[in-house]
Amino acid sequence: NAGVTQTPKFQVLKTGQSMTLQCAQDMNHEYMSWYRQDPGMGLRLIHYSVGAGITDQGEVPNGYNVSRSTTEDFPLRLLSAAPSQTSVYFCATQRQGAGEKLFFGSGTQLSVL
Amino acid sequence: GQQLNQSPQSMFIQEGEDVSMNCTSSSIFNTWLWYKQDPGEGPVLLIALYKAGELTSNGRLTAQFGITRKDSFLNISASIPSDVGIYFCAGQGVSGNTPLVFGKGTRLSVIA
Repeated sequence: NAGVTQTPKFQVLKTGQSMTLQCAQDMNHEYMSWYRQDPGMGLRLIHYSVGAGITDQGEVPNGYNVSRSTTEDFPLRLLSAAPSQTSVYFCATQRQGAGEKLFFGSGTQLSVL
Repeated sequence: GQQLNQSPQSMFIQEGEDVSMNCTSSSIFNTWLWYKQDPGEGPVLLIALYKAGELTSNGRLTAQFGITRKDSFLNISASIPSDVGIYFCAGQGVSGNTPLVFGKGTRLSVIA
């Protein structure tokens, strides 16, 4: 039971390149989300999904795309990376419903040069 | 949108001292959660609070859900070096389907 698995752990991109951050969970959680963490800014929600086929925008969605074709996977796509997207990205999942706990992956550190 | 004010931003304490940090909100929350993040890792849940006035402990950690439902605090007693990290509060609003709102974190450093 791996929980929430994020890949890659580290990535360096050039401005304008595209890439996909992967997130997979084996806990059968309906809710999945992506956060970015920047110094002094805490955790900011990028996109989230309450189930397969359903996605919604969070606080800072610009420059990112998501899709949810299965319960297990929730990839985050950067179509044209910018230096402002240099950050640590966390995927998180939880059961749907009030008061459920959020479980985080170990993060992806992304640098855009 | 909803915002959480978490304080202090950072703390430097001596090993053995007690620590207190808090979060306040302009709106009511139904759930308060406290997370700890170790360097290079994702946040890990420490304590979950579900009722106004609730006081819950997890070892040396104690957290309370404020009676106004707009605040929560976390206390760490007799701090040790492995308490070092970033502590986040998070709240969920009255609708169970709304995403958690996070505070900006309290960075704790423990001097041995």
